[in-house]
Amino acid sequence: AIQMTQSPSSLSASVGDRVTITCRASQGIRNDLGWYQQKPGKAPKLLIYAASSLQSGVPSRFSGSGSGTDFTLTISSLQPEDFATYYCLQDYDYPLTFGGGTKVEIK
Amino acid sequence: EVQLVESGGGLVQPGRSLRLSCAASGFTFEDSGMYWVRQAPGKGLEWVSGISWHSGSIGYADSVKGRFTISRDNAKNSLYLQMNSLRAEDTALYYCAKDIGAGVVPGNFDYWGQGTLVTVSS
Repeated sequence: AIQMTQSPSSLSASVGDRVTITCRASQGIRNDLGWYQQKPGKAPKLLIYAASSLQSGVPSRFSGSGSGTDFTLTISSLQPEDFATYYCLQDYDYPLTFGGGTKVEIK
Repeated sequence: EVQLVESGGGLVQPGRSLRLSCAASGFTFEDSGMYWVRQAPGKGLEWVSGISWHSGSIGYADSVKGRFTISRDNAKNSLYLQMNSLRAEDTALYYCAKDIGAGVVPGNFDYWGQGTLVTVSS
């Protein structure tokens, strides 16, 4: 199975900060990667698919980049509603695999 | 409005079976790939299984292969997960999720249900 290594596992940031989260795949996955946001007690929400495509309704401060094995989720200016846990998911091949998650907390 | 409503969770003893269901509405179910994802208490997301629109492409996580079976009934707009030989480590909130596409090849999940809790304990 493809392993997804996500970093950091947690970070503290202030409103307005630029935040970057990375995911590394154990083998090349083209651009078959998505990013999800999960808030406590809620189902995850799709932010980015195909590594860099913004899901409908998601604010433009979220962006994704990368191809092959290295991927990045960037929040250009962190807003209060962005404090949550973020996960990457490779959809290149079964079995699909999530990264371990990044908890974004208020500094 | 897309709705995914899971049911069938509960408390079950180790080694026993349980069948989860997901009732879908608000989209053309027969054209969509579907998935099960779980989350153990306080832990991260774990993909469990996926099925294409026509059931021709199916996948499982290594942790459940041989014990869990995914299926769908397009006439009933329903997704299922038959879980056999349950273990304590299967304890989790189980989410049903819809593929962005038909699921012939795996894709990302654009809609999720609210989950059904499975607790495996004696």
